[in-house]
Amino acid sequence: AQTVTQSQPEMSVQEAETVTLSCTYDTSENNYYLFWYKQPPSRQMILVIRQEAYKQQNATENRFSVNFQKAAKSFSLKISDSQLGDTAMYFCAFMTPGGGGSNYKLTFGKGTLLTVNP
Amino acid sequence: DTAVSQTPKYLVTQMGNDKSIKCEQNLGHDTMYWYKQDSKKFLKIMFSYNNKELIINETVPNRFSPKSPDKAHLNLHINSLELGDSAVYFCASSRTGEGTQYFGPGTRLTVL
Repeated sequence: AQTVTQSQPEMSVQEAETVTLSCTYDTSENNYYLFWYKQPPSRQMILVIRQEAYKQQNATENRFSVNFQKAAKSFSLKISDSQLGDTAMYFCAFMTPGGGGSNYKLTFGKGTLLTVNP
Repeated sequence: DTAVSQTPKYLVTQMGNDKSIKCEQNLGHDTMYWYKQDSKKFLKIMFSYNNKELIINETVPNRFSPKSPDKAHLNLHINSLELGDSAVYFCASSRTGEGTQYFGPGTRLTVL
């Protein structure tokens, strides 16, 4: 069974600074997807970024980037130039693509609560 | 223009009652999901339907019964509600093999 571990329950950062959220996972699969979702106080689950395991290049979306280390099974999220609106719970998630059955489900970590301070 | 919508957003009810949560997506996706987020914010899959066929049924009490009348809708009916059912329930959808799941706004269920 796949597991996802986020070792930082809470983090804080000053506005405009950079912060990195950690995520490790355990799987015997070779082909899979990794995601970061954010959940602000509004409770909406918002996709931040996704990474396909077969791609060596790290995914980037504006101020958000990942450091994907497949051998180490590590998938950290870097937020640059932090903004007050980045305050949210961040969830790392894993999924195996295609096929049927359990391949479709997202397995989530327990989340990291990020607070951006003015 | 809401992509994945859920009704109601809030549901407060008494123990023992039966309630339903509805989900609709207008993204043209063929796979839909129900997730439960507990009081500690932990998210866990409950069910998944692909083209109206149940493909994932995690260890969920029989009191929970999903129903998918068509590819765009996935409803969740809960019988004999218990205090422990209090949680936020999220609907999500995706296209087969594409990977990314898009979530609805969630339904906060409170059982008194």
